[in-house]
Amino acid sequence: EAGVTQSPTHLIKTRGQQATLRCSPISGHTSVYWYQQALGLGLQFLLWYDEGEERNRGNFPPRFSGRQFPNYSSELNVNALELEDSALYLCASCRDLPYNEQFFGPGTRLTVL
Amino acid sequence: AQTVTQSQPEMSVQEAETVTLSCTYDTSESDYYLFWYKQPPSRQMILVIRQEAYKQQNATENRFSVNFQKAAKSFSLKISDSQLGDAAMYFCAYKDGAGSYQLTFGKGTKLSVIP
Repeated sequence: EAGVTQSPTHLIKTRGQQATLRCSPISGHTSVYWYQQALGLGLQFLLWYDEGEERNRGNFPPRFSGRQFPNYSSELNVNALELEDSALYLCASCRDLPYNEQFFGPGTRLTVL
Repeated sequence: AQTVTQSQPEMSVQEAETVTLSCTYDTSESDYYLFWYKQPPSRQMILVIRQEAYKQQNATENRFSVNFQKAAKSFSLKISDSQLGDAAMYFCAYKDGAGSYQLTFGKGTKLSVIP
């Protein structure tokens, strides 16, 4: 069974630009979660998509947005990039029940210059 | 809001010895799940062990076991017979049993294994 995949592995942008990160969940998983892992801040929940709908978002500005496609893959968009957006962005997928484990992808390292 | 606290930023253990990583959490919910995730230097997070709050019995997975103290809101991870491959960041995480299912993480404990 293929795991969660993310692309690109690394992304370098400059302040003010937009970044698009992609995630493909494990086959059969309908929920996708995005987390930000910034140095010194730990892992912070960003967004949760399930069945194509945004179900919840963390304490992040509207510059962070995304969507989930009919095949359950997901995209995270970060507009008007700021230096503090530099972080590892992790995607996780699971079946939509609370006791189910979230499986994580390898992450996208976003660097904002 | 739920919070998860890991009070040990770094720990080390001799190979083949036992180490315990601490985690406390705060919640007003009665139905929830607790997890320990491992993030090796290659960075892919993997689940180590899971505990359902309604279960009194502590979860075990081979060399990994937890000490779940619900009243104290404590959830520690014990690694027995430590191996070099156990070296990683370990994150304690919490998830509600209803409503929103995202994970709330502690800040992590970096475990080093000394040969």
